[in-house]
Amino acid sequence: GENVEQHPSTLSVQEGDSAVIKCTYSDSASNYFPWYKQELGKRPQLIIDIRSNVGEKKDQRIAVTLNKTAKHFSLHITETQPEDSAVYFCAAIYGGSQGNLIFGKGTKLSVKP
Amino acid sequence: DTGVSQDPRHKITKRGQNVTFRCDPISEHNRLYWYRQTLGQGPEFLTYFQNEAQLEKSRLLSDRFSAERPKGSFSTLEIQRTEQGDSAMYLCASREGVKETQYFGPGTRLLVL
Repeated sequence: GENVEQHPSTLSVQEGDSAVIKCTYSDSASNYFPWYKQELGKRPQLIIDIRSNVGEKKDQRIAVTLNKTAKHFSLHITETQPEDSAVYFCAAIYGGSQGNLIFGKGTKLSVKP
Repeated sequence: DTGVSQDPRHKITKRGQNVTFRCDPISEHNRLYWYRQTLGQGPEFLTYFQNEAQLEKSRLLSDRFSAERPKGSFSTLEIQRTEQGDSAMYLCASREGVKETQYFGPGTRLLVL
């Protein structure tokens, strides 16, 4: 079945630095890749997503890149701020499914002021 | 608030008891998903509804778990004869038609003593 691996599991950066989180997926039929941010005790919130027909997408300080050949995608956060501190999850839609998401194990990002 | 809502937010029960959770999706969303999230992990898919039809179930969904969406609007997830291993956050998500984006509810945190 589908598997999504996410690295690193924890990431600590200084305010203003960039943060990069990487994910790989196993199902070549996957065609949709969202990223969710989850603050402690709160719901996962979509921050950005990318479809397989696009290589890169940006939204202000956040960008996602996709390499379909290598089956990996990455989240880039520039000019990090303390409020970016949270757990970030990547996910992929399992190709043979009804759209259910397969999640990575998460990356706990800490931005130090 | 027009987002996905879940009730209750917290539930403490004794092993062997039955519990039921409710999810109200965003009103125009015909697709509804249940996920389970344990500490330090990403959400794991449990089951999927399109309107009132339950179209997919994970192998994680043992026969003690049952889910319904009787009128294609709200959904319930029941766990019978709860076990300590059922302790987790139960998340509901909904999406609209062919759009891939899933919106999550705040979750129900279950603790089985």
